[in-house]
Amino acid sequence: DIVMTQTPLSSPVTLGQPASISCRSSQSLVHSDGDTYLSWHQQRPGQPPRLLIYKISNRFSGVPDRFSGSGAGTDFTLKISRVEAEDVGVYYCMQATQFPVTFGQGTKLEIK
Amino acid sequence: QVQLVESGGGVVQPETSLRLSCAVSGFPFGSHAMHWVRQPPGKGLEWVAYISYDGTYKYYADSVRGRFTISRDNSKNMLYLQMNSVRTEDTAVYYCATEGDRLRVDHWGQGTLATVSS
Repeated sequence: DIVMTQTPLSSPVTLGQPASISCRSSQSLVHSDGDTYLSWHQQRPGQPPRLLIYKISNRFSGVPDRFSGSGAGTDFTLKISRVEAEDVGVYYCMQATQFPVTFGQGTKLEIK
Repeated sequence: QVQLVESGGGVVQPETSLRLSCAVSGFPFGSHAMHWVRQPPGKGLEWVAYISYDGTYKYYADSVRGRFTISRDNSKNMLYLQMNSVRTEDTAVYYCATEGDRLRVDHWGQGTLATVSS
C-alpha cells in the first residue's frame, strides 16, 4: 500500500498569513495513464470532507483561489495564500493512483 | 446540486451485521464510480471500498475484505455497504462519495455513524 505522510500535523497560523502543508508518498503517484491522482480535502469542524484540489493542482468548483496545490512524483504541497477564519479544520491529502486509496494522517490548521 | 444522503447507521453488537445505504441525487449516478470512506471517532479518514459505474469492479481495504460488500442499484440511484461480522474497530462515521471524474473523489455525503459495541 502507498503510505501518505503529512507534515506538519498541526499548524497554528495568524489570520491573513500564508500556510503550507506537505504530503509525501512512499512511491511515485504517477499513474500508467500519465496523470497523478493526488488530491486535497478539507474537513471543517463537525462537517464532512470537501474536495479542494485534484490531480495535484486543479481547484475544484467553488474553491477560492487562495488555495493552490503543487508538486510531482512523491512530494506535494497545499498552500493557502492568506488564511481566513473559515479555513480552520483538518486537511488531508489522498492518493487514488493505486488501490487501496490512502489518506495522509491529516493536518490541523488552527488560528493563533 | 449533488446530494448524497447516507442512512442505516446505528448501534450493533460484535459479529452481527449492518447495511448502510446512500441515496444520490443531482448527479448522473449510473455513469460514475462510487466510494465508501470511514472516520473513527476523533481520528482520520480511512478508505473502505470502491465500485465501478456498472458494478463490474469492486475494491476493498484489507481491513474489511471478506466481511464488507459494496453494491449499487443504478435504477434507484442507490449505493450500499453490507457489513458482516462487524468488529468494535469498525465503529466510525461512514461517508459515501462520488467519483465525478476518473479517480477524483469529489462530493461527500454527511455521513452515518455505525457503532459496534457489546
